[in-house]
Amino acid sequence: SAVISQKPSRDICQRGTSLTIQCQVDSQVTMMFWYRQQPGQSLTLIATANQGSEATYESGFVIDKFPISRPNLTFSTLTVSNMSPEDSSIYLCSVEPPDRAGELFFGEGSRLTVL
Amino acid sequence: KNQVEQSPQSLIILEGKNCTLQCNYTVSPFSNLRWYKQDTGRGPVSLTIMTFSENTKSNGRYTATLDADTKQSSLHITASQLSDSASYICVVSAKWVKRGSTLGRLYFGRGTQLTVWP
Repeated sequence: SAVISQKPSRDICQRGTSLTIQCQVDSQVTMMFWYRQQPGQSLTLIATANQGSEATYESGFVIDKFPISRPNLTFSTLTVSNMSPEDSSIYLCSVEPPDRAGELFFGEGSRLTVL
Repeated sequence: KNQVEQSPQSLIILEGKNCTLQCNYTVSPFSNLRWYKQDTGRGPVSLTIMTFSENTKSNGRYTATLDADTKQSSLHITASQLSDSASYICVVSAKWVKRGSTLGRLYFGRGTQLTVWP
């Protein structure tokens, strides 16, 4: 399996500011996935972060709003830029460990509240 | 349109009772179906993963069933405990070739919020 650590676990932010969420995995993984979970809604994939290349964004999500870094095979960051109350959500990092192909493991999530 | 629908949206049961959660999907081509448990303030944790050929799979007090013909799945919880209070999410994977991953394209249900009362 994989142990995934996310920081911060929660934060309260002001409108117009940006917040960077960190995701650390205890093993090397090819892809890291960033999800958003809005209240009462299903998980939505924001983007797939690949080491050494640009992240791949899903429809409705753009790099200017959600820039992603992937400097190595165990770490990634997601930034929520120019936040508005509509960005209040839980953001989840997830991975598919190489020894558990086909299985998806999630971090604890980062609960973001924008005032 | 690929969709995953879960019912009920929420459920309250007494400790020790059994319950069954439903998942209907229209995802195609089907690869596998997963059930996750998400405690409040935590990330989802996998309970079971079922492929096309599997009808039933158990994980302790959790038993998942899959009917690929009717595109329905259920999660049965036996002798519920207070710690079973959580959101249960059904995730269906569509076969999708993507270099470096065998996950396929995932479709998430909104979850069933289960509350177990003492």
